[in-house]
Amino acid sequence: NAGVTQTPKFQVLKTGQSMTLQCAQDMNHEYMSWYRQDPGMGLRLIHYSVGAGITDQGEVPNGYNVSRSTTEDFPLRLLSAAPSQTSVYFCASRRQVQGGEQFFGPGTRLTVL
Amino acid sequence: AQKVTQAQTEISVVEKEDVTLDCVYETRDTTYYLFWYKQPPSGELVFLIRRNSFDEQNEISGRYSWNFQKSTSSFNFTITASQVVDSAVYFCALSEAGYGGATNKLIFGTGTLLAVQP
Repeated sequence: NAGVTQTPKFQVLKTGQSMTLQCAQDMNHEYMSWYRQDPGMGLRLIHYSVGAGITDQGEVPNGYNVSRSTTEDFPLRLLSAAPSQTSVYFCASRRQVQGGEQFFGPGTRLTVL
Repeated sequence: AQKVTQAQTEISVVEKEDVTLDCVYETRDTTYYLFWYKQPPSGELVFLIRRNSFDEQNEISGRYSWNFQKSTSSFNFTITASQVVDSAVYFCALSEAGYGGATNKLIFGTGTLLAVQP
């Protein structure tokens, strides 16, 4: 099993550009989520999904869109990138059970100029 | 609302010293889960332990031990005889059971950077 995979590993954007961060998991997990990690702020939840076709907002959803058309994939879209979105982004998945362990992808380092 | 506080931003110790990382949490749920993750300099997040709110037994795994005290809402992590390879950022996290467990989000503390000097 590949676990949780993320692409790309690094990305540089100019302000106003759009892009999609890809996330896929092969563990048949129902629950998937996106976090951003900023210095001194830990990991903050952006969006999450409890299954195909179901998404909801986390702590910091503004500026990001998500969709979940399949169990395996959970892409994160930046429609108009801003310097404040410079961060490291982590995708995670877990089984939809109470207290289930989350498995994290390797992260995507995004810089917005 | 759920909240996790890791008051220690950075800790520096010399190899072989014992070190305790503090974690204090807030929740209104009676059923919840606490986690510790390690993030080494390479950047990945490594799961260390999960504890549910009904199990207050301390846990020991090699040089690692965890002390869970509901009375003080704390879930502290101790590394005994620290090693350079323990240098990392350590995150404490909380997941409430929620309504049916369907949307039990994992909320993280801000992390503690542990530097172990040789």
